[in-house]
Amino acid sequence: SQTIHQWPATLVQPVGSPLSLECTVEGTSNPNLYWYRQAAGRGLQLLFYSVGIGQISSEVPQNLSASRPQDRQFILSSKKLLLSDSGFYLCAWSFSGGGYNEQFFGPGTRLTVL
Amino acid sequence: QKEVEQDPGPLSVPEGAIVSLNCTYSNSAFQYFMWYRQYSRKGPELLMYTYSSGNKEDGRFTAQVDKSSKYISLFIRDSQPSDSATYLCASPGGSYIPTFGRGTSLIVHP
Repeated sequence: SQTIHQWPATLVQPVGSPLSLECTVEGTSNPNLYWYRQAAGRGLQLLFYSVGIGQISSEVPQNLSASRPQDRQFILSSKKLLLSDSGFYLCAWSFSGGGYNEQFFGPGTRLTVL
Repeated sequence: QKEVEQDPGPLSVPEGAIVSLNCTYSNSAFQYFMWYRQYSRKGPELLMYTYSSGNKEDGRFTAQVDKSSKYISLFIRDSQPSDSATYLCASPGGSYIPTFGRGTSLIVHP
C-alpha cells in the first residue's frame, strides 16, 4: 500500500527566514505530486505540481518554489518568508497518467510566520 | 464563477439525522467526482468517488450525481458526532489537476 509523509508537522518561523518542507511517498513509482496551501476557512490553493523528476509547474506566482530531486520526494522552499505565507501546507500524490486519478493527501504542515 | 461550488456552512444537525451535502459544477467535461472528508488540522482523506450518474453507496454514505443539472450530493445516514468535519467535493476533469470545492463544514451534535 502507499503512504505519504510530510514534515515537519508544525513550524513557527520569523518573517524573512527560509523555509523547507518535505514530502515523500512510499509504495508507488512515478507519482504525480502536488503542493497545496489551505488558509484558515479557505479552500485548497494549488501551488505546484510535478509529473516527473525535475518537472515542476507553478500555479501561483509567489515567493515559494518547489523541487523534485527524486521520484518520490517533493520539497517546498522559500528564501524569505512573508507573513502571508502562514497556512496549512498539504502535499498530495496521484497515480501517473492524469485523468480519473484521485489524489491522496499527506497529514499537512501548519506554518505560522511571525 | 468557480467550476465547483459548495456552501461553506456550517451545517449543524443532531446526532442520527440524515445529512445532505451538495456541490454544483459548471464544466460539462467533468465525468468523475470525488468526496473528501477533512478533520480539523488534518489532511483530506478520500471518502468516495463515482464515475457516473446515479447513486453509489458505501455504508452510511451515498454519493449521488445528476449530470443533467450538474449537481453532486453526499448523503450521510444516522450521522454521528465523529462525522463532524469539512467535506470537499472535487473533479479531475480529465487533467492532472482536480478542481476542488471550498468545502462544507458539518457539525453533528450529540
